[in-house]
Amino acid sequence: QSALTQPASVSGSPGQSITISCTGTSSDVGGYNYVSWYQQHPGKAPKLMIYEVRNRPSGVSNRFSGSKSGNTASLTISGLQAEDEADYYCSSYTSSNTLGVFGGGTKVTVL
Amino acid sequence: EVQLVQSGAEVKKPGESLKISCKGSGYSFTTNWIGWVRQMPGKGLEWMGIIYPGDSDTRYSPSFQGQVTISADKSISTAYLQWSTLKASDTAMYYCARQGPYSSSWGYWGQGTLVTVSS
Repeated sequence: QSALTQPASVSGSPGQSITISCTGTSSDVGGYNYVSWYQQHPGKAPKLMIYEVRNRPSGVSNRFSGSKSGNTASLTISGLQAEDEADYYCSSYTSSNTLGVFGGGTKVTVL
Repeated sequence: EVQLVQSGAEVKKPGESLKISCKGSGYSFTTNWIGWVRQMPGKGLEWMGIIYPGDSDTRYSPSFQGQVTISADKSISTAYLQWSTLKASDTAMYYCARQGPYSSSWGYWGQGTLVTVSS
């Protein structure tokens, strides 16, 4: 299945806000409210940051927020911090299969 | 505490077989889907397949169907990913993950198993 489309990289200065987009189709992102976001630091396993488009798991900073409009979901990181530098992946339920689909990943750099 | 502990790194030759494991603890192993995710060097995450240990219902991504076998032994709370004939292109980090605790998200991950296939 085709991956969801994310920008390869996004950067920002400490304290700024950045937004990562995740574009799919009406068969995945646009058709269901089952979009998740994962953070992955180098050499580490992915960590769930957002589920069901906009919900934060317990323990995740409220600087992370999610939203969706049409076929595009977004992850916003406000008050950017050095520790936020990582790769971020979106994921969505898809009608094509029961596994879901990942985005290609976005590298966030804190300048 | 939910934990997924994966087996250690492997170095294999092309053509060899391999089975890696993922042991779950701290939850009911039989009532939660477990998935396997491939991450090739410097690349993104890819779903390989998932298994429901309670009844061994297994689903594969079309890209991996026929290339790997996913199984589970609920008596020891362990899921497996195996190859019968490894290729150099199987060199990657492999993660297991457990679905939950929120609907369709995957909130629990193993530490990863690095598989290196080289002659």
